[in-house]
Amino acid sequence: EAGVVQSPRYKIIEKKQPVAFWCNPISGHNTLYWYLQNLGQGPELLIRYENEEAVDDSQLPKDRFSAERLKGVDSTLKIQPAELGDSAVYLCASSTRQVSYNEQFFGPGTRLTVL
Amino acid sequence: GENVEQHPSTLSVQEGDSAVIKCTYSDSASNYFPWYKQELGKGPQLIIDIRSNVGEKKDQRIAVTLNKTAKHFSLHITETQPEDSAVYFCAALSGGTSYGKLTFGQGTILTVHP
Repeated sequence: EAGVVQSPRYKIIEKKQPVAFWCNPISGHNTLYWYLQNLGQGPELLIRYENEEAVDDSQLPKDRFSAERLKGVDSTLKIQPAELGDSAVYLCASSTRQVSYNEQFFGPGTRLTVL
Repeated sequence: GENVEQHPSTLSVQEGDSAVIKCTYSDSASNYFPWYKQELGKGPQLIIDIRSNVGEKKDQRIAVTLNKTAKHFSLHITETQPEDSAVYFCAALSGGTSYGKLTFGQGTILTVHP
């Protein structure tokens, strides 16, 4: 079974530029999560999707961050414009309610560096 | 909201020794506590979990204990091996089993010296 796929793996941009990250969850997983992981910290939830609906986006900085999950499969997370403090690893995870307690499977992440 | 504290931040042991990582949580309604292992350049991977109705769970060399009264849970790794070296995160699920939110600890860097 293929795992969660993310691209790109690394991205270096200058501040004020836009950037987008892509995630393909495990086939059949209806729940998709985007996490932010700062250096030396645990992941922090940004947004959770149930199919194509964002059911928890309370931690997403909506002035510059946006996300979408068209057709309830792949998802894109965008930052516009990027700031120096956005440098971090952006993790995508997916889960299915068919497994109790919603074990979350994580992708390898995208490491963003804002110069 | 839930707050998870994890200690120690770094842990260094000799191969064959045991390692213990401890976490506390604040929300008494949290009911699921997974532990994740993260290797360099990879995403976190679930290694063991425990539900609130269980006090202890063991899987080969790793075990987790939960004290609901004290709101703390611990990861125990016995007979450590160099390949156990990684960052370990505890987490707590609050807000229900189907739609709950995972809150992670700050992580513990475990180094196992050969």
